Amino acid sequence: DTEVTQTPKHLVMGMTNKKSLKCEQHMGHRAMYWYKQKAKKPPELMFVYSYEKLSINESVPSRFSPECPNSSLLNLHLHALQPEDSALYLCASSQEGPDTQYFGPGTRLTVL
Amino acid sequence: KNEVEQSPQNLTAQEGEFITINCSYSVGISALHWLQQHPGGGIVSLFMLSSGKKKHGRLIATINIQEKHSSLHITASHPRDSAVYICAVRSGWTGGGADGLTFGKGTHLIIQP
Repeated sequence: DTEVTQTPKHLVMGMTNKKSLKCEQHMGHRAMYWYKQKAKKPPELMFVYSYEKLSINESVPSRFSPECPNSSLLNLHLHALQPEDSALYLCASSQEGPDTQYFGPGTRLTVL
Repeated sequence: KNEVEQSPQNLTAQEGEFITINCSYSVGISALHWLQQHPGGGIVSLFMLSSGKKKHGRLIATINIQEKHSSLHITASHPRDSAVYICAVRSGWTGGGADGLTFGKGTHLIIQP
C-alpha cells in the first residue's frame, strides 16, 4: 500500500469555525509533512513530523495547529482562519532521510 | 535557504517532440526530486537522484552536482504527459533526518496532438 489518504477532499468554512484536516498512511513511514499550495504557486512547507517530533516553519501563523497522534496519522487543526488561507493543503510521508515523498490528493480549503 | 530555479515556466510542444526542463539550485544538496502535478492537485514523485542519471520509461533525469543543475527529459512526448513538472530539494530547516522540500515554481507542459 503506497497510498496517502486525506479527508475531507473539500472544505468550506467561515472565519469563526474550527475544523480539522486528516491525513493517514500505512507505509510505515516515520516522517510526515504538511504543505500549503496557493493557486498557480508551488507547495510551501508548513510542518514536519519526524518520529512524532515536530519541526515548524516559523512563518506559519498559530491559527494552524498540527498534531501527530501516532506515526500513521497526521492532523491539521484550523481555527480563526482568514480568506487568504484558502488553498490546497497537501500531506506527504516518507522514510527518514532524503527519501521519496508520497503525497496525498490534498484538501481544497475555502475560507469565507 | 536553497533557491530553486526552473526553466522554462511554460512549454507547449507537439506530440512526439523531445522535451527538456531545467532546474538549478543555489546550495549544495544530497538529493534532488522531480515531481509531476496534474490539474486537480495530485503530486507524484518521478525521480529522486543524487548523482548521474536515472531513467523510467520515457522519462530521463540527470544531475550535475558540481554545477548545481538538473534536467528532466521526456522522449516521444504524448498529450498525457501534459502536466506541471516541479523540481525540489530538501528545505534544510530540520537540520538532518527527515526534511520537507523546497520547490521550484514548476514548468507547465502542454503536449498538443
